[in-house]
Amino acid sequence: GAVVSQHPSRVICKSGTSVKIECRSLDFQATTMFWYRQFPKQSLMLMATSNEGSKATYEQGVEKDKFLINHASLTLSTLTVTSAHPEDSSFYICSARPGHRMNTEAFFGQGTRLTVV
Amino acid sequence: AQSVTQPDIHITVSEGASLELRCNYSYGATPYLFWYVQSPGQGLQLLLKYFSGDTLVQGIKGFEAEFKRSQSSFNLRKPSVHWSDAAEYFCAVGVGKGGKLIFGQGTELSVKP
Repeated sequence: GAVVSQHPSRVICKSGTSVKIECRSLDFQATTMFWYRQFPKQSLMLMATSNEGSKATYEQGVEKDKFLINHASLTLSTLTVTSAHPEDSSFYICSARPGHRMNTEAFFGQGTRLTVV
Repeated sequence: AQSVTQPDIHITVSEGASLELRCNYSYGATPYLFWYVQSPGQGLQLLLKYFSGDTLVQGIKGFEAEFKRSQSSFNLRKPSVHWSDAAEYFCAVGVGKGGKLIFGQGTELSVKP
């Protein structure tokens, strides 16, 4: 099956610094990638949808300037948490979808545990 | 608005017993429906999906789900649960042309020996 690699799996950073998380599709071209956030014991909340070569579409309530998303190639999307604060600590998961058809499933990365201290 | 409801937050079953996890959705068009499983600290693994056609879909690890349009449901079933099935299970509906997913709250499954 298709593989999505997310890096790093865990990161601890100091408050006020920025952190970049990478999401790569290893064996397919991902025209669309999605970024989710998951709090402990809760569901996944979609943060934004990114399409290769265009600006990301953010969900309501998600700060665009704080969560910078770049989808510069068909195999890589990055999420940068800028000026991180303890409340940004969470589990971030990306998914990637090959092609443009609606009936194409998305494949998930293994997630990144971000802890801001 | 689109939504997914998983009424059971936590379910405990005995190993070897049958399992049914409930999922109800709200979506105006024909839904694309998914069940995912998540182990602690891990990403999501797709168990099965429904796009069209036969309303009873088979998935991996012996799971199946039935789409019932009249009840707006997509319940997940397994005839005999194994201890390794203990995990968090998420039902999701694909919405919009972009294919983003709306997830339910999740059901945590515990398996008793």
